[in-house]
Amino acid sequence: GESVGLHLPTLSVQEGDNSIINCAYSNSASDYFIWYKQESGKGPQFIIDIRSNMDKRQGQRVTVLLNKTVKHLSLQIAATQPGDSAVYFCAEIGEGSNYKLTFGKGTLLTVNP
Amino acid sequence: NAGVTQTPKFRILKIGQSMTLQCTQDMNHNYMYWYRQDPGMGLKLIYYSVGAGITDKGEVPNGYNVSRSTTEDFPLRLELAAPSQTSVYFCASSYTPSGGDTEAFFGQGTRLTVV
Repeated sequence: GESVGLHLPTLSVQEGDNSIINCAYSNSASDYFIWYKQESGKGPQFIIDIRSNMDKRQGQRVTVLLNKTVKHLSLQIAATQPGDSAVYFCAEIGEGSNYKLTFGKGTLLTVNP
Repeated sequence: NAGVTQTPKFRILKIGQSMTLQCTQDMNHNYMYWYRQDPGMGLKLIYYSVGAGITDKGEVPNGYNVSRSTTEDFPLRLELAAPSQTSVYFCASSYTPSGGDTEAFFGQGTRLTVV
């Protein structure tokens, strides 16, 4: 079946460096993608989203890039801070699958001081 | 606003027991969802609701039931608890479907252990 997966389960970076978290998706009909941040013991928190008619979207310190040719999504975090340490999930909505937000496995980001 | 509130935060059940996980939101959102998250995994959709009186199955509905008698509340019922239902359960709400112009707001989760 269609699924959303992540290339790396863990990522460790130094404080102040930029972080890049990757996500591969297999449903070519996916038309909406969201990145969530989940801190330990808490529910997922929305970070940024992007539609399939875009290839880049920027927020505060975060940028999402979408490459539909290779079905790849990435989240870039600039000047990573200790408070960015969390599990990051990409999620997608495919065309025709209204209301069903499908989550990937997650990447644990650890920021070292 | 309290947002999305789930109770209880933790619960231990014996095999075969039943319980209801409560979820309420005060944002007047029409869409509500229940997910389960197993260790090291993403979230899987159990049930969802597009408004009061309307519910539908997600990816993993077996062993669960829901109801949506009001806009605010979306309880999840486990009738005969099984060890496979040990998980963390998240309730979420949004005022458009996930995939619209707003994100889903999540509760803090209920950690359920079935022994």
